[in-house]
Amino acid sequence: TQLLEQSPQFLSIQEGENLTVYCNSSSVFSSLQWYRQEPGEGPVLLVTVVTGGEVKKLKRLTFQFGDARKDSSLHITAAQPGDTGLYLCAGVNAGGTSYGKLTFGQGTILTVHP
Amino acid sequence: DTGVSQNPRHKITKRGQNVTFRCDPISEHNRLYWYRQTLGQGPEFLTYFQNEAQLEKSRLLSDRFSAERPKGSFSTLEIQRTEQGDSAMYLCASSSRDLHQETQYFGPGTRLLVL
Repeated sequence: TQLLEQSPQFLSIQEGENLTVYCNSSSVFSSLQWYRQEPGEGPVLLVTVVTGGEVKKLKRLTFQFGDARKDSSLHITAAQPGDTGLYLCAGVNAGGTSYGKLTFGQGTILTVHP
Repeated sequence: DTGVSQNPRHKITKRGQNVTFRCDPISEHNRLYWYRQTLGQGPEFLTYFQNEAQLEKSRLLSDRFSAERPKGSFSTLEIQRTEQGDSAMYLCASSSRDLHQETQYFGPGTRLLVL
């Protein structure tokens, strides 16, 4: 069974602080994705990382994929209240009938206080 | 609006009743996925279709659950004899495969509460 562990599960910070969310896998996926989900809505894709060691930036968000392609991190610089939400990592399967199937971590609930 | 749509958005039912949810994917997408998400957790895969063919079912999908995609367009998820443990958000996603990877677009979900 492929598992993704996210940490921390909850994060409550003040506006302007930096934070990092971690995602660790028990196995290798073809790629790893990060999503953000707001209450009452479906997850929205932020980024996909494919290559070991890859770093991608999206404004104040920096995503890293570990060299072994089993772990990833999301770093937010100078967090704002609008960053509040549930952040999910998901491993993407590439093989056989499971192609495209996503395995999600349990999520990190981020609250940024003004 | 050309995104994934789901109906109803909310459903309250009594234990033992049957419920059916509908998902309309993005029109040109041939893959359609169903996930279930409980409060404070990540979504869990239930099943997926490529066109009208159901290619994989999770062991989470008990005999009371059935999903169809009869014409390869919209899909329905039916839960028979609902139980309180079925209370969750049911998410649908559709996808198209671009040059390098597959991107799933999620609908807003149907929140089910079983009393």
